[in-house]
Amino acid sequence: AQSVTQLDSHVSVSEGTPVLLRCNYSSSYSPSLFWYVQHPNKGLQLLLKYTSAATLVKGINGFEAEFKKSETSFHLTKPSAHMSDAAEYFCVVSAPGGGSQGNLIFGKGTKLSVKP
Amino acid sequence: SAVISQKPSRDICQRGTSLTIQCQVDSQVTMMFWYRQQPGQSLTLIATANQGSEATYESGFVIDKFPISRPNLTFSTLTVSNMSPEDSSIYLCSAVIQGAGYEQYFGPGTRLTVT
Repeated sequence: AQSVTQLDSHVSVSEGTPVLLRCNYSSSYSPSLFWYVQHPNKGLQLLLKYTSAATLVKGINGFEAEFKKSETSFHLTKPSAHMSDAAEYFCVVSAPGGGSQGNLIFGKGTKLSVKP
Repeated sequence: SAVISQKPSRDICQRGTSLTIQCQVDSQVTMMFWYRQQPGQSLTLIATANQGSEATYESGFVIDKFPISRPNLTFSTLTVSNMSPEDSSIYLCSAVIQGAGYEQYFGPGTRLTVT
C-alpha cells in the first residue's frame, strides 16, 4: 500500500532563512510524488512533481525537492523564505493508476509560518 | 492552467438535511474528482465523477450518501445527504485538464459545518 508521512505538522522560519519541509513515502512500486500548497481560503496549487525523470525537481516560487529512493524521502526546500510562503504544504503520492486517475494519497500537511 | 470554482464557499446546515455543492471548470477536462478534508486530517478521495455515467466511489463512500452528477465536461455536483455532524469537512473538487500533463487542479473548497 502507498502512504506518505509529513514529519512536521508545523514549521516556523524567519524571513530570508532556508525552508525544509520533510516528507517520507512508502510505495510498493515506483511512485509519482507531488507537493501542493494551500493558502488560506484558496485552492490547492501544485508546486512541483516527480515522475521518474530527474531526481531533483524544481518548482514554482523557488521551491525544489529531491527524490531519494534509498531514503524514501521527497523533502521540499527553498533557500530563502518569503512572507508570502506562509501556507499549508501537502506531500502527495500517487496510488496505482497515477495522478491522472485521481488516486492521490495526501500527507497530513505541514503548516509553514514565516516570521518577519 | 485552469480555474476551478465551487459554490457555496461555506455553509452551516442542520442535521438531517442535504447540501449540493457545485464545481465549475473553465477548461475542458478529462477527469473530475471529489475529495473530503476532515478537520485536522488529510484529503481523502470520495469518488471520480464520470461524465454521463455513475460516479466511481472509493472504499467507505456510497452513492446514497454522496450522490454525484457530471452532466458535461466542465461541471459536476456533489450532494451530501442526510447530514450529521461527522460530515463537517471541507469538500474539494479537482480536475485533470486536457493537455496539461495530467496535473490535478483543485477548487477552493466548500467548508461545511453541520449542527
